[in-house]
Amino acid sequence: DAGVIQSPRHEVTEMGQEVTLRCKPISGHDYLFWYRQTMMRGLELLIYFNNNVPIDDSGMPEDRFSAKMPNASFSTLKIQPSEPRDSAVYFCASTLTSGRPDTQYFGPGTRLTVL
Amino acid sequence: LAKTTQPISMDSYEGQEVNITCSHNNIATNDYITWYQQFPSQGPRFIIQGYKTKVTNEVASLFIPADRKSSTLSLPRVSLSDTAVYYCLVGETRGYSTLTFGKGTMLLVSP
Repeated sequence: DAGVIQSPRHEVTEMGQEVTLRCKPISGHDYLFWYRQTMMRGLELLIYFNNNVPIDDSGMPEDRFSAKMPNASFSTLKIQPSEPRDSAVYFCASTLTSGRPDTQYFGPGTRLTVL
Repeated sequence: LAKTTQPISMDSYEGQEVNITCSHNNIATNDYITWYQQFPSQGPRFIIQGYKTKVTNEVASLFIPADRKSSTLSLPRVSLSDTAVYYCLVGETRGYSTLTFGKGTMLLVSP
């Protein structure tokens, strides 16, 4: 398996522009997570899906952030409009619930820079 | 979710055994202890997970005392490539998974 795939790996944009981050989870996994990592705040959970349904989006910082999972193999995290404080590394992770303690498999991340 | 406390950083030399201790005084009965490793410019990677006593895999060992209020990740004979941030997480898995990452421990292995 190729693991969790994220694109783009790097994104540089200007303040006010729309940014879309993409994630392909590991095939067969039923949970998908979006995290954001910064030096100041560490790794934060933004939102997670189960079977393509958003379960908890309490970590989404504000209405400028939105996430979708139209099918089991694709998810997007959109920021509109983007702001410099959104600059961070965004990780996508997936996992399979198997009735025992499970683990999350992280993608390589997207480094976002908002100028 | 139980809060965890671990050292901010640790230094070691190649070939040494490294033990990173994590405190989780408020761990609940159903909570498991999981350790992740993160290299620069990469996502966290699962290392090991346990509930009590000792767990060992090809990468590390995890020691959990009877009261479960702390745990120790043991890395045998570290190499330069073990330089990374190590996160201790405590959480319950019951039909869903949410992990709360703290600041982690930055391990620096020197020649």
